[in-house]
Amino acid sequence: DTEVTQTPKHLVMGMTNKKSLKCEQHMGHRAMYWYKQKAKKPPELMFVYSYEKLSINESVPSRFSPECPNSSLLNLHLHALQPEDSALYLCASSQGRVDTQYFGPGTRLTVL
Amino acid sequence: AQSVTQPDIHITVSEGASLELRCNYSYGATPYLFWYVQSPGQGLQLLLKYFSGDTLVQGIKGFEAEFKRSQSSFNLRKPSVHWSDAAEYFCAVGALGAGGTSYGKLTFGQGTILTVHP
Repeated sequence: DTEVTQTPKHLVMGMTNKKSLKCEQHMGHRAMYWYKQKAKKPPELMFVYSYEKLSINESVPSRFSPECPNSSLLNLHLHALQPEDSALYLCASSQGRVDTQYFGPGTRLTVL
Repeated sequence: AQSVTQPDIHITVSEGASLELRCNYSYGATPYLFWYVQSPGQGLQLLLKYFSGDTLVQGIKGFEAEFKRSQSSFNLRKPSVHWSDAAEYFCAVGALGAGGTSYGKLTFGQGTILTVHP
């Protein structure tokens, strides 16, 4: 089973709201990733967690706050977002950092 | 820094025709390579991957790709396209053996949108 699940599927939020995106995998993978994908663009890496520790932060604004509570879960906390943050947010996981990444279906975020 | 070029933004083929999507990468270290497919509003599905060994790799849905180190290419092929293959295809490269902050980082090409005519 190579399934990565993400909730919610769609999210609409105002610029003053606080919300969270959730990602879960039960494949025993030790690396997890957040990507942002704008329309008609490729995914852009935001964060990498390896063994539950933040390994890469691609200079993402602090209004995005990742969290890895355990090896199966990855959250992305959102606060004071801007309309330009509207995008598809994809989560991925892999056995190790140099390994195949399996992607979830994404959360479609709209910031009003 | 690693980079990926997919020269064709949009390709249209007829159902049953053969398909080749081009991918060229640039990186000094040994690469590992992927092709992913994405339907509108969906996540990315892995089609195939190359890490080492046989340079012709087989994937799901009848796709194959050939790694050519001399040409820095990893083109995706399918002998007969089905209407359900219409989607966007992304080539991605990572660097084996790279240390530091690049370790495990994938770089994606801009994508090729495939349209299939009946």
